[in-house]
Amino acid sequence: GAVVSQHPSWVICKSGTSVKIECRSLDFQATTMFWYRQFPKQSLMLMATSNEGSKATYEQGVEKDKFLINHASLTLSTLTVTSAHPEDSSFYICSAGPTSGPQETQYFGPGTRLLVL
Amino acid sequence: DAKTTQPPSMDCAEGRAANLPCNHSTISGNEYVYWYRQIHSQGPQYIIHGLKNNETNEMASLIITEDRKSSTLILPHATLRDTAVYYCIVGNYGQNFVFGPGTRLSVLP
Repeated sequence: GAVVSQHPSWVICKSGTSVKIECRSLDFQATTMFWYRQFPKQSLMLMATSNEGSKATYEQGVEKDKFLINHASLTLSTLTVTSAHPEDSSFYICSAGPTSGPQETQYFGPGTRLLVL
Repeated sequence: DAKTTQPPSMDCAEGRAANLPCNHSTISGNEYVYWYRQIHSQGPQYIIHGLKNNETNEMASLIITEDRKSSTLILPHATLRDTAVYYCIVGNYGQNFVFGPGTRLSVLP
């Protein structure tokens, strides 16, 4: 199946700093990518929808100025957690589906674990 | 809210078939049924999906009832590595997936 990668796989940062997480579709192009967040022992919760060449769409309760999303190409979306605080510590996961060719499903990245001290 | 209902947990003996049920009584005519699984500390792994016909691939089989209100994921010969949380999702390609709590499958030796 298609491959979605994320970088870094884990990151530890100090409170108040910013962290950038990359999501790449390795063997297909994706007009739309999705960013999820997962807290311990909970399910995945959608944060935002990333659209190539346009502004992201954020879910209710997700601060767009805190979680900056850039989808500059058909294979890369980035999520920047600005002024991170300990409550932002979580498992961040992206997903994407091919824009062309056989479609019908989405593929998820391996996730990025963020720990804010 | 998720449009699916799954049992919170199930056990299965190693080597036996694991049958994971999912109810999706409010599924729309053009929505697919997707199954993913998540092994601890990893991103969800795609397993299989279908619209109305039963589907089979190298990982599993998907049985969808004729009225499409429920489905069953079948792992024919469960191994210890199949221990994971299994998510049943209904939706369309290109839209975000809404995850419920899933079923925690424990494969026992």
